Amino acid sequence: GNSVTQMEGPVTLSEEAFLTINCTYTATGYPSLFWYVQYPGEGLQLLLKATKADDKGSNKGFEATYRKETTSFHLEKGSVQVSDSAVYFCALPDRGSTLGRLYFGRGTQLTVWP
Amino acid sequence: GAGVSQTPSNKVTEKGKYVELRCDPISGHTALYWYRQSLGQGPEFLIYFQGTGAADDSGLPNDRFFAVRPEGSVSTLKIQRTERGDSAVYLCASSLIATGGPGGELFFGEGSRLTVL
Repeated sequence: GNSVTQMEGPVTLSEEAFLTINCTYTATGYPSLFWYVQYPGEGLQLLLKATKADDKGSNKGFEATYRKETTSFHLEKGSVQVSDSAVYFCALPDRGSTLGRLYFGRGTQLTVWP
Repeated sequence: GAGVSQTPSNKVTEKGKYVELRCDPISGHTALYWYRQSLGQGPEFLIYFQGTGAADDSGLPNDRFFAVRPEGSVSTLKIQRTERGDSAVYLCASSLIATGGPGGELFFGEGSRLTVL
Protein backbone atom coordinates (compact mmCIF):
# COMPACT_ATOMS: atom_id res chain seq x y z
CA GLY A 1 0.00 0.00 0.00
CA ASN A 2 0.87 3.67 0.02
CA SER A 3 3.02 5.00 2.84
CA VAL A 4 4.95 8.01 4.08
CA THR A 5 8.21 8.33 5.95
CA GLN A 6 8.44 11.37 8.11
CA MET A 7 11.38 13.07 9.74
CA GLU A 8 11.63 12.09 13.37
CA GLY A 9 11.54 14.71 16.05
CA PRO A 10 11.45 16.38 18.29
CA VAL A 11 12.40 19.62 16.60
CA THR A 12 13.22 22.60 18.79
CA LEU A 13 13.64 26.06 17.28
CA SER A 14 13.84 29.66 18.38
CA GLU A 15 11.14 32.05 17.24
CA GLU A 16 11.68 33.38 13.69
CA ALA A 17 13.87 30.43 12.71
CA PHE A 18 13.37 28.55 9.43
CA LEU A 19 11.55 25.24 9.63
CA THR A 20 11.75 22.16 7.42
CA ILE A 21 10.06 18.87 8.26
CA ASN A 22 10.89 16.16 5.73
CA CYS A 23 8.32 13.78 4.32
CA THR A 24 8.84 11.23 1.56
CA TYR A 25 6.16 8.99 0.16
CA THR A 26 5.72 5.66 -1.60
CA ALA A 27 2.61 5.44 -3.71
CA THR A 28 0.94 3.93 -6.72
CA GLY A 29 0.14 6.76 -9.07
CA TYR A 30 -0.04 10.32 -7.83
CA PRO A 31 -2.40 10.57 -4.87
CA SER A 32 -3.17 13.76 -2.98
CA LEU A 33 -0.75 14.60 -0.18
CA PHE A 34 -1.60 16.24 3.12
CA TRP A 35 -0.08 17.83 6.18
CA TYR A 36 -2.18 17.66 9.33
CA VAL A 37 -1.36 19.47 12.57
CA GLN A 38 -2.31 18.70 16.17
CA TYR A 39 -2.06 21.63 18.56
CA PRO A 40 -1.92 20.88 22.30
CA GLY A 41 -5.33 19.87 23.60
CA GLU A 42 -6.95 19.95 20.17
CA GLY A 43 -7.93 17.47 17.47
CA LEU A 44 -6.00 16.89 14.28
CA GLN A 45 -6.72 19.49 11.62
CA LEU A 46 -5.77 19.85 8.00
CA LEU A 47 -2.92 22.32 7.54
CA LEU A 48 -2.45 22.11 3.78
CA LYS A 49 -2.71 19.78 0.82
CA ALA A 50 -1.58 19.25 -2.76
CA THR A 51 -3.61 17.24 -5.23
CA LYS A 52 -1.14 16.70 -8.07
CA ALA A 53 2.53 16.76 -8.92
CA ASP A 54 4.22 20.18 -8.75
CA ASP A 55 1.31 21.63 -6.77
CA LYS A 56 2.22 23.79 -3.81
CA GLY A 57 -0.02 23.76 -0.79
CA SER A 58 0.12 26.72 1.58
CA ASN A 59 -1.59 27.91 4.74
CA LYS A 60 -0.65 30.02 7.79
CA GLY A 61 2.78 30.72 6.32
CA PHE A 62 3.52 27.01 5.82
CA GLU A 63 4.24 25.60 2.38
CA ALA A 64 4.83 22.17 0.87
CA THR A 65 5.49 21.25 -2.77
CA TYR A 66 4.47 17.90 -4.26
CA ARG A 67 7.67 16.69 -5.96
CA LYS A 68 7.29 13.48 -7.91
CA GLU A 69 10.97 13.39 -8.94
CA THR A 70 12.06 13.04 -5.34
CA THR A 71 8.75 11.59 -4.03
CA SER A 72 8.76 14.28 -1.36
CA PHE A 73 6.35 16.70 0.30
CA HIS A 74 8.51 18.59 2.75
CA LEU A 75 6.87 21.14 5.04
CA GLU A 76 8.54 24.55 5.32
CA LYS A 77 7.99 27.84 7.08
CA GLY A 78 10.28 30.82 6.81
CA SER A 79 9.76 32.22 10.30
CA VAL A 80 8.18 30.10 13.01
CA GLN A 81 6.24 31.44 15.97
CA VAL A 82 5.67 30.09 19.45
CA SER A 83 2.08 29.38 18.43
CA ASP A 84 3.34 26.91 15.78
CA SER A 85 4.36 24.49 18.54
CA ALA A 86 2.44 21.31 17.72
CA VAL A 87 2.76 17.84 16.24
CA TYR A 88 2.81 17.71 12.43
CA PHE A 89 1.73 14.65 10.41
CA CYS A 90 2.32 13.92 6.76
CA ALA A 91 -0.41 11.78 5.18
CA LEU A 92 -1.73 10.32 1.94
CA PRO A 93 -4.68 8.11 0.96
CA ASP A 94 -4.12 4.41 1.27
CA ARG A 95 -3.88 2.70 -2.10
CA GLY A 96 -7.19 1.94 -3.72
CA SER A 97 -9.18 3.57 -0.94
CA THR A 98 -11.28 6.63 -0.52
CA LEU A 99 -9.40 9.79 0.31
CA GLY A 100 -10.69 9.53 3.84
CA ARG A 101 -8.71 6.40 4.57
CA LEU A 102 -5.35 8.03 5.20
CA TYR A 103 -1.94 6.63 5.97
CA PHE A 104 -0.23 8.95 8.48
CA GLY A 105 3.44 9.36 9.26
CA ARG A 106 4.63 9.03 12.85
CA GLY A 107 4.42 12.75 13.48
CA THR A 108 7.05 15.37 14.24
CA GLN A 109 6.86 17.31 17.50
CA LEU A 110 7.82 20.97 17.01
CA THR A 111 8.60 23.22 19.95
CA VAL A 112 9.29 26.90 19.34
CA TRP A 113 10.91 28.94 22.12
CA PRO A 114 10.50 32.71 22.39
CA GLY B 1 -22.45 20.77 17.20
CA ALA B 2 -19.73 22.85 15.68
CA GLY B 3 -17.15 20.10 15.63
CA VAL B 4 -16.68 16.38 16.09
CA SER B 5 -17.42 15.44 19.67
CA GLN B 6 -16.00 12.34 21.37
CA THR B 7 -16.86 10.91 24.76
CA PRO B 8 -15.43 10.04 27.15
CA SER B 9 -12.25 12.04 26.80
CA ASN B 10 -10.52 9.62 29.15
CA LYS B 11 -11.39 6.06 30.08
CA VAL B 12 -9.50 3.82 32.45
CA THR B 13 -10.58 0.21 32.62
CA GLU B 14 -9.32 -3.16 33.74
CA LYS B 15 -8.15 -5.91 31.48
CA GLY B 16 -11.04 -8.05 30.29
CA LYS B 17 -13.70 -5.36 30.61
CA TYR B 18 -16.01 -4.05 27.89
CA VAL B 19 -15.67 -0.45 26.67
CA GLU B 20 -17.77 1.82 24.48
CA LEU B 21 -16.48 5.02 22.91
CA ARG B 22 -18.86 7.49 21.34
CA CYS B 23 -18.46 9.86 18.41
CA ASP B 24 -20.87 12.62 17.40
CA PRO B 25 -19.83 13.88 13.95
CA ILE B 26 -20.41 17.25 12.38
CA SER B 27 -24.05 17.59 11.43
CA GLY B 28 -24.67 16.55 7.84
CA HIS B 29 -21.40 14.68 7.40
CA THR B 30 -22.19 11.32 5.85
CA ALA B 31 -18.73 9.78 6.14
CA LEU B 32 -17.35 8.81 9.55
CA TYR B 33 -13.97 7.28 10.37
CA TRP B 34 -12.36 5.73 13.42
CA TYR B 35 -8.61 5.82 13.86
CA ARG B 36 -6.34 4.62 16.66
CA GLN B 37 -3.21 6.46 17.74
CA SER B 38 -0.68 4.70 19.91
CA LEU B 39 2.00 6.63 21.78
CA GLY B 40 4.61 8.03 19.42
CA GLN B 41 2.78 6.86 16.32
CA GLY B 42 0.57 8.39 13.72
CA PRO B 43 -3.15 7.59 13.59
CA GLU B 44 -4.01 4.18 12.11
CA PHE B 45 -7.25 3.58 10.24
CA LEU B 46 -9.79 1.27 11.85
CA ILE B 47 -13.14 1.59 10.09
CA TYR B 48 -15.11 3.83 7.77
CA PHE B 49 -18.86 4.38 7.61
CA GLN B 50 -20.80 5.82 4.72
CA GLY B 51 -24.21 6.54 6.20
CA THR B 52 -25.27 3.64 8.40
CA GLY B 53 -23.14 0.97 6.83
CA ALA B 54 -19.52 0.08 7.45
CA ALA B 55 -18.02 0.52 4.00
CA ASP B 56 -14.53 -0.56 5.06
CA ASP B 57 -13.73 -2.31 8.33
CA SER B 58 -10.45 -3.83 7.23
CA GLY B 59 -8.48 -1.83 9.81
CA LEU B 60 -10.15 -3.41 12.84
CA PRO B 61 -7.40 -5.44 14.52
CA ASN B 62 -9.54 -8.43 15.54
CA ASP B 63 -13.08 -9.49 16.32
CA ARG B 64 -13.01 -7.89 19.78
CA PHE B 65 -13.49 -4.56 18.02
CA PHE B 66 -16.82 -3.57 16.57
CA ALA B 67 -18.45 -0.28 15.58
CA VAL B 68 -21.98 0.80 14.77
CA ARG B 69 -23.70 3.83 13.37
CA PRO B 70 -27.38 2.87 13.46
CA GLU B 71 -28.93 6.16 12.38
CA GLY B 72 -26.16 7.47 10.19
CA SER B 73 -25.00 10.06 12.68
CA VAL B 74 -23.56 9.09 16.08
CA SER B 75 -21.18 6.14 16.07
CA THR B 76 -20.04 3.87 18.88
CA LEU B 77 -16.80 1.91 18.89
CA LYS B 78 -17.09 -1.17 21.07
CA ILE B 79 -14.17 -3.14 22.46
CA GLN B 80 -14.76 -6.46 24.17
CA ARG B 81 -12.42 -8.23 26.59
CA THR B 82 -9.99 -5.32 26.59
CA GLU B 83 -6.26 -6.00 26.65
CA ARG B 84 -3.39 -3.79 27.77
CA GLY B 85 -2.32 -3.46 24.13
CA ASP B 86 -5.62 -1.71 23.37
CA SER B 87 -4.42 1.33 25.32
CA ALA B 88 -4.32 4.24 22.87
CA VAL B 89 -6.12 7.38 21.81
CA TYR B 90 -9.13 6.56 19.65
CA LEU B 91 -9.87 9.27 17.13
CA CYS B 92 -13.06 9.88 15.24
CA ALA B 93 -13.26 11.96 12.07
CA SER B 94 -16.06 12.95 9.73
CA SER B 95 -16.32 14.43 6.28
CA LEU B 96 -19.05 15.62 4.01
CA ILE B 97 -18.58 12.84 1.48
CA ALA B 98 -16.49 9.72 1.15
CA THR B 99 -13.67 11.41 -0.65
CA GLY B 100 -13.03 13.64 2.32
CA GLY B 101 -15.05 16.56 1.07
CA PRO B 102 -14.17 19.03 -1.66
CA GLY B 103 -10.93 19.91 0.08
CA GLY B 104 -10.03 16.33 0.87
CA GLU B 105 -10.36 17.26 4.49
CA LEU B 106 -11.25 15.11 7.45
CA PHE B 107 -12.48 16.84 10.61
CA PHE B 108 -11.17 15.12 13.74
CA GLY B 109 -12.41 15.05 17.28
CA GLU B 110 -10.04 15.43 20.22
CA GLY B 111 -10.05 11.72 20.84
CA SER B 112 -10.84 9.30 23.65
CA ARG B 113 -7.80 8.17 25.61
CA LEU B 114 -8.24 4.54 26.68
CA THR B 115 -6.01 3.05 29.34
CA VAL B 116 -6.31 -0.65 30.08
CA LEU B 117 -4.73 -1.64 33.38
